[in-house]
Amino acid sequence: NAGVMQNPRHLVRRRGQEARLRCSPMKGHSHVYWYRQLPEEGLKFMVYLQKENIIDESGMPKERFSAEFPKEGPSILRIQQVVRGDSAAYFCASSPQQAKRSPLHFGNGTRLTVT
Amino acid sequence: AQTVTQSQPEMSVQEAETVTLSCTYDTSESDYYLFWYKQPPSRQMILVIRQEAYKQQNATENRFSVNFQKAAKSFSLKISDSQLGDAAMYFCAYRITSGTYKYIFGTGTRLKVLA
Repeated sequence: NAGVMQNPRHLVRRRGQEARLRCSPMKGHSHVYWYRQLPEEGLKFMVYLQKENIIDESGMPKERFSAEFPKEGPSILRIQQVVRGDSAAYFCASSPQQAKRSPLHFGNGTRLTVT
Repeated sequence: AQTVTQSQPEMSVQEAETVTLSCTYDTSESDYYLFWYKQPPSRQMILVIRQEAYKQQNATENRFSVNFQKAAKSFSLKISDSQLGDAAMYFCAYRITSGTYKYIFGTGTRLKVLA
């Protein structure tokens, strides 16, 4: 059973470009979380999605950031008009159901560098 | 709001010795989960151990054990017989038990293992 797959592993964008980060949850998992990790910091919650629904986006900046988890295909975190402050590692995690006893399984993250 | 505090940015331990990483949290809930994650340079988030708040017995996983003090809201990680492969960032995390069940992470402790 493959784990949570994130791609690309590294992404370099120039200021003003768009960044698209992909996350394929573990098989059978229908809940996806996105976290951001700035250098030398912990992971900060961004958004929580279920298939075709955004459940909680309280940690996501109101502008330039969006996320989706379509019925078919991976979850996508999109950052428009990137700025240097967006440089960070972005982690996706999935769980089989929304329950406190279901642990989150993390992907290996995408490191975004904005030049 | 729940918070997680790791007051030790960096710790060092001699190989084969024991080290304890501290974590405190703040919550008004009575039932929740606590976790320790390890993040090596590869960036992968590896679940080390988890503790259910309603269980008084401290969790143990091989060389890793926790000291869970619910009244003091303390959740420290003890690593026995430290190995070079234990060198990593260690994050303490709290999982809320309502709504989105998202994790809240501390800022991490960098553990160095000295040969």
